[in-house]
Amino acid sequence: GENVEQHPSTLSVQEGDSAVIKCTYSDSASNYFPWYKQELGKGPQLIIDIRSNVGEKKDQRIAVTLNKTAKHFSLHITETQPEDSAVYFCAVLRGYQKVTFGIGTKLQVIP
Amino acid sequence: SQTIHQWPATLVQPVGSPLSLECTVEGTSNPNLYWYRQAAGRGLQLLFYSVGIGQISSEVPQNLSASRPQDRQFILSSKKLLLSDSGFYLCAWSPGLAANEQFFGPGTRLTVL
Repeated sequence: GENVEQHPSTLSVQEGDSAVIKCTYSDSASNYFPWYKQELGKGPQLIIDIRSNVGEKKDQRIAVTLNKTAKHFSLHITETQPEDSAVYFCAVLRGYQKVTFGIGTKLQVIP
Repeated sequence: SQTIHQWPATLVQPVGSPLSLECTVEGTSNPNLYWYRQAAGRGLQLLFYSVGIGQISSEVPQNLSASRPQDRQFILSSKKLLLSDSGFYLCAWSPGLAANEQFFGPGTRLTVL
């Protein structure tokens, strides 16, 4: 089955700095790569996603890059704000039914 | 727009008692439905998924079961809870074959004592 590794497990940045979270996967046939943000006590919320035919996608302060050859993708958050503090999960999907999630990264933005 | 509901929000149950968690989706039809468990400080573990009424696939052998009695209703059950069943249970839906995105409910915090 699919194996997803996510790094780092925790990340602290100063407000205004950038944060980068990276995930690697094992199944070269995987074709959909979402990122979720989970605030304390709430369900994960989809914040950005990318499909295998695209190398980069950006939405305001967040961006995702995908390297299919190396089988890794990354979440980039620029100009971080305290409200960006949360746990971020990467995920990998092949087909339409099952998603494999990374272990999560706890991001702390220090004001 | 689509919304997903879960209840109860929190639950404290003794070991050996039964469990029933409910999830309903509004604003869509024939969704794929999922149950995940999230242990404290851990990632998301897929427990069950369903592509239609009465169709349940189990990902992890355990003392939990799932049922889908209606198109937009997904139920997670247990006859006898174990201490290890404690966790944060999340229901999610996706549009199925039309798209990949999964959308999560607010979750149920289960504590087994």
